[in-house]
Amino acid sequence: AQSVTQLDSQVPVFEEAPVELRCNYSSSVSVYLFWYVQYPNQGLQLLLKYLSGSTLVESINGFEAEFNKSQTSFHLRKPSVHISDTAEYFCAVSDISNNNDMRFGAGTRLTVKP
Amino acid sequence: DSGVTQTPKHLITATGQRVTLRCSPRSGDLSVYWYQQSLDQGLQFLIQYYNGEERAKGNILERFSAQQFPDLHSELNLSSLELGDSALYFCASSVDAGGNTEAFFGQGTRLTVV
Repeated sequence: AQSVTQLDSQVPVFEEAPVELRCNYSSSVSVYLFWYVQYPNQGLQLLLKYLSGSTLVESINGFEAEFNKSQTSFHLRKPSVHISDTAEYFCAVSDISNNNDMRFGAGTRLTVKP
Repeated sequence: DSGVTQTPKHLITATGQRVTLRCSPRSGDLSVYWYQQSLDQGLQFLIQYYNGEERAKGNILERFSAQQFPDLHSELNLSSLELGDSALYFCASSVDAGGNTEAFFGQGTRLTVV
């Protein structure tokens, strides 16, 4: 089964600074890739996803992620963060060759400071 | 509101006991996933059902079991509870098992074992 590694468990940044949350997965076979966000005391919500086509995908609130097949990575970036972006972010991989088994990373807690 | 309903929201029980967590998926969704979120383990995939049938199994203990009923709601049964089972248990649903569709998460059931 796929494994997903989020290299940073916590990322503190100042408001308006850029941020990158890293995600690597274990196998380069066909996958779908997702980023989910969990705000305090809430369930997870889909932020963006890569299924096919352009390797750069964007969310409506300024986040983007780039699928890099050779590096088996799907890092999440935002050029300028807001206080409201404070949340936990989860990378997820769905393995097309294995019944679309979806696995999540351990999460990265992004804290945006004023 | 994701459309996924989990009950109860909170549960406090003693070691050795058995509890049942309930999940109602979004209308029309055939696939249900169960996840456990704890501070030390992060978000762990437990099990997936699709249209009443078990589809994928993750890190689910033998003391835990689940099922999906004909009306598509699902229950997660946790028995012989231990202190380490204290966690937030999430249910998610998606329209199919294809893995390329968004999974919608419930608000979770917080289980505390004392």
